[in-house]
Amino acid sequence: AIQLTQSPSSLSASVGDRVTITCRASQGISSALAWYQQKPGKAPKLLIYDASSLESGVPSRFSGSGSGTDFTLTISSLQPEDFATYYCQQFNSYPRTFGQGTRLEIK
Amino acid sequence: EVQLVESGGGLVKPGGSLRLSCAASGFTFSSYSMNWVRQAPGKGLEWVSSISSSSSYIYYADSVKGRFTISRDNAKNSLYLQMNSLRAEDTAVYYCARDLPFMPGAFDYWGQGTLVTVSS
Repeated sequence: AIQLTQSPSSLSASVGDRVTITCRASQGISSALAWYQQKPGKAPKLLIYDASSLESGVPSRFSGSGSGTDFTLTISSLQPEDFATYYCQQFNSYPRTFGQGTRLEIK
Repeated sequence: EVQLVESGGGLVKPGGSLRLSCAASGFTFSSYSMNWVRQAPGKGLEWVSSISSSSSYIYYADSVKGRFTISRDNAKNSLYLQMNSLRAEDTAVYYCARDLPFMPGAFDYWGQGTLVTVSS
């Protein structure tokens, strides 16, 4: 199974900050990567698919990049509603796998 | 509006069985692959199983293979997960999720989840 390792596991930041989260795959997955946001008690929400494509309705301050084994999710200017946990997920092969999550907290 | 509504969760003893359902509405259910994803309390997301639109292709995580069975009824717009030989480590919120139509494998809509607790 392909392992996804996110870094950092947690992050403290302030409103207006630029934040980057990294996801590294244990083997190449082309661009078959998605990013999700999850708030406590809620289902995950798709933000990015195909490594860099913004899901409809997601604010443009979210962006994704990368291919192969190294990927990033960037939030250009943090808003109060962005404090949540973020997961990457690969869909290059089965079993589908998720990163362990990055918890983004208010500084 | 796309809606996915899970049901069937609850408290079950180790070794017991449970059947989860996911009722879909607001889209042509028969055209989409569907998935189950779970989340243990305080933990991350774990993919459980996927089924193609016509049930031709089915995949399972190793952790549930041989114990869980995914199925669907396109006439009833419903997805199911039959869970047998349940273990404490199966305790989780179970979500059904739809495949992104043009990018299978990314999940664009999720249900609200149903909690399964395996405990004696």
